Amino acid sequence: AQSVTQLDSQVPVFEEAPVELRCNYSSSVSVYLFWYVQYPNQGLQLLLKYLSGSTLVKSINGFEAEFNKSQTSFHLRKPSVHISDTAEYFCAVSGGANNLFFGTGTRLTVIP
Amino acid sequence: NAGVMQNPRHLVRRRGQEARLRCSPMKGHSHVYWYRQLPEEGLKFMVYLQKENIIDESGMPKERFSAEFPKEGPSILRIQQVVRGDSAAYFCASSPFEQAGGYTFGSGTRLTVV
Repeated sequence: AQSVTQLDSQVPVFEEAPVELRCNYSSSVSVYLFWYVQYPNQGLQLLLKYLSGSTLVKSINGFEAEFNKSQTSFHLRKPSVHISDTAEYFCAVSGGANNLFFGTGTRLTVIP
Repeated sequence: NAGVMQNPRHLVRRRGQEARLRCSPMKGHSHVYWYRQLPEEGLKFMVYLQKENIIDESGMPKERFSAEFPKEGPSILRIQQVVRGDSAAYFCASSPFEQAGGYTFGSGTRLTVV
């Protein structure tokens, strides 16, 4: 069975500062990993994903995440955040089946 | 190309009533997934459907909940005799083929049972 832990429920950070949102997973099989973002009153949007290959994956808006198999982690990072990055971020894992296991989310608040 | 459309956005039901949540997948997508987000929790898988078939309903409560995805029209998640514990956000996602995540979600239906 798969599970995901997002230890930080809320992360406040000043504008233009770096941020890291932590995600750890457990799985007995090879995994696919995802980060989703949910802006207020909207659905979930796929931010980035790791399926195979390079362990460092990047999104078009400056986020990146690195798959670390030994530490079973998939932390999300951005070197300089903007006000518009304020949202809830969900880490998810799939063991190849047709469903996802989500973490409880991290609410990122960017402070002007 | 419109995204995944869910309606209504908000639904209020009294205990014992029925709730019907609708999901129209993206154009060309024949696979639909339903997830539920309880307060302060992450999304949890409920059911996976293809046109006219339920493929995996391992996350569906055994009673009162049902889902369908007919040949024509949207997918429907139906909750009979709602109780307060059914209050949650229900999200639908779709994909053009079976895939292990990475699919597109709708904006959700927020069900409140009073």
